[in-house]
Amino acid sequence: GNSVTQMEGPVTLSEEAFLTINCTYTATGYPSLFWYVQYPGEGLQLLLKATKADDKGSNKGFEATYRKETTSFHLEKGSVQVSDSAVYFCALKGGAAGNKLTFGGGTRVLVKP
Amino acid sequence: SQTIHQWPATLVQPVGSPLSLECTVEGTSNPNLYWYRQAAGRGLQLLFYSVGIGQISSEVPQNLSASRPQDRQFILSSKKLLLSDSGFYLCAWARGQGADYEQYFGPGTRLTVT
Repeated sequence: GNSVTQMEGPVTLSEEAFLTINCTYTATGYPSLFWYVQYPGEGLQLLLKATKADDKGSNKGFEATYRKETTSFHLEKGSVQVSDSAVYFCALKGGAAGNKLTFGGGTRVLVKP
Repeated sequence: SQTIHQWPATLVQPVGSPLSLECTVEGTSNPNLYWYRQAAGRGLQLLFYSVGIGQISSEVPQNLSASRPQDRQFILSSKKLLLSDSGFYLCAWARGQGADYEQYFGPGTRLTVT
């Protein structure tokens, strides 16, 4: 079946540092890949997505590239702000799962001023 | 534009009491609807999803049930709450097929069972 593995947090950074959150997946076929962000006490927000190999999703300074050869979709941001402190979830849709998302366990990011 | 509502935002209930959480979506028709639970500090667990009125798929057998009485209304219920039902309950809706598929989440309901 489908699965998503994310690096465990928390990830603690200083403001303006470079952020990378690793995400690898297992799925049959060609899944769509997503990153969601969850701020404290809120629901998840769709941050970006990519639907085919070598696609790059981007939004709010975050980027992730769909790498089929390494089955990865790592999230990056060049210069984080305190407001980027949140939990980030990698997810995929595809294969036998139909219209359901498979989520990773989430990675908590804490940005200190 | 589409909007998803959940209520209540916060709920404290005693063990053994019933539960009803409601989710409604505006601005779209015939969405796929989902209920998730998020335990404290943990990831998301898909509880139920629905592709249409009266059509409910259960992902995890447990103390909860779901209903979809109207196209854009999704209800999560329990007859008798357990302590283990505490958590953050998220409703989501999805649009599109294939590469256009996107899932959007509501603000959540924080349930504490005492």
